[in-house]
Amino acid sequence: GENVEQHPSTLSVQEGDSAVIKCTYSDSASNYFPWYKQELGKGPQLIIDIRSNVGEKKDQRIAVTLNKTAKHFSLHITETQPEDSAVYFCAALRPNRDDKIIFGKGTRLHILP
Amino acid sequence: DTEVTQTPKHLVMGMTNKKSLKCEQHMGHRAMYWYKQKAKKPPELMFVYSYEKLSINESVPSRFSPECPNSSLLNLHLHALQPEDSALYLCASSQAYSLGMNTEAFFGQGTRLTVV
Repeated sequence: GENVEQHPSTLSVQEGDSAVIKCTYSDSASNYFPWYKQELGKGPQLIIDIRSNVGEKKDQRIAVTLNKTAKHFSLHITETQPEDSAVYFCAALRPNRDDKIIFGKGTRLHILP
Repeated sequence: DTEVTQTPKHLVMGMTNKKSLKCEQHMGHRAMYWYKQKAKKPPELMFVYSYEKLSINESVPSRFSPECPNSSLLNLHLHALQPEDSALYLCASSQAYSLGMNTEAFFGQGTRLTVV
């Protein structure tokens, strides 16, 4: 089945700097890759997603890139702010299989003042 | 409106109690999910309902019993739970499932369950 690896598990970034979180997936059939942000005591919130027919997608300070050949995708947050502190999960879905959301193990992002 | 509403937010129950978790969405989504999340771990899929029918049960113990009364509601009935079942229980919904179209899944805020 699909396996999603996520790195790093913890990331500390100075406020205003950029943060990058990387994920790899194992099943080349996966074609949808969402990213979720989870704040303490809350449910995961979808922040951006990308489909396999696109190499990059951007939404204000957040961008996601996808390399289908290498089977990896990354989340980029620029001009980080204190409210970006949270746990971020990458995920992958396979069409015409079970369509389960396969999550990475998560990255705890700390924005330092 | 991309809201998935879960009640209650917190629940403490004894091992002999029977309780239910509720989830509601009004986005017209036809797929609804239950996830269990332990501290510092990613959500783990428990059940998937597609068009009000149970389509996936991830070998969940029978002390957890899901129910989908209609396309907007999803319940999780709990009975004879163990302390290790204490976790955050998340409900999610998405527009379509197993139609070759992967669409966004939206999560509720979860129910923090403690079994004593």
